Amino acid sequence: DQQVKQNSPSLSVQEGRISILNCDYTNSMFDYFLWYKKYPAEGPTFLISISSIKDKNEDGRFTVFLNKSAKHLSLHIVPSQPGDSAVYFCAASPRRTYKYIFGTGTRLKVLA
Amino acid sequence: EAQVTQNPRYLITVTGKKLTVTCSQNMNHEYMSWYRQDPGLGLRQIYYSMNVEVTDKGDVPEGYKVSRKEKRNFPLILESPSPNQTSLYFCASSLSAMDRGLGYIQYFGAGTRLSVL
Repeated sequence: DQQVKQNSPSLSVQEGRISILNCDYTNSMFDYFLWYKKYPAEGPTFLISISSIKDKNEDGRFTVFLNKSAKHLSLHIVPSQPGDSAVYFCAASPRRTYKYIFGTGTRLKVLA
Repeated sequence: EAQVTQNPRYLITVTGKKLTVTCSQNMNHEYMSWYRQDPGLGLRQIYYSMNVEVTDKGDVPEGYKVSRKEKRNFPLILESPSPNQTSLYFCASSLSAMDRGLGYIQYFGAGTRLSVL
């Protein structure tokens, strides 16, 4: 049973526009939610995270929104740049553990 | 330079031949973890370690062993590899950012691509 789901395998966006990547989860015991970006032949790199007690966290062009009632989080990238083209993974961690559950990833392509 | 180093980067082996993938971090992180990435399945946690001599199972531990004898090293051991362990493996070490409300921020190695024939 996939506890963290990224239902869109891919997304294409024009340069300068907003990219919205979505993630749904089923476990209400998740405490932290994180987004990672992955380029080919490299390991994932941390992008941004949010605690379950918040509903928004912003870092430069990246904003993560958390809707606990809908068990949904989203990553907004504004404005999108060609260098943002990568696979994005959302991940969730249950309370007081070091376990991580990752989604299957969304491949973002930003078109110049 | 702060980094997580995995070796080897590529490995082809045969069923049943024991192998070890090494992982080393130079950031003095307490937490380390192993993942495998498979098409359509994302990253799945194999084992993790909260500190020296403290390890625990992730979601897919079957067929793997780990040890944490020193803080910087966290090797992944496949005692008897099988073809279903053909995958891309990532090691990660983590910095606690709980005080900033960000959870544990993981730093990943570049990956080890393993093929078991």
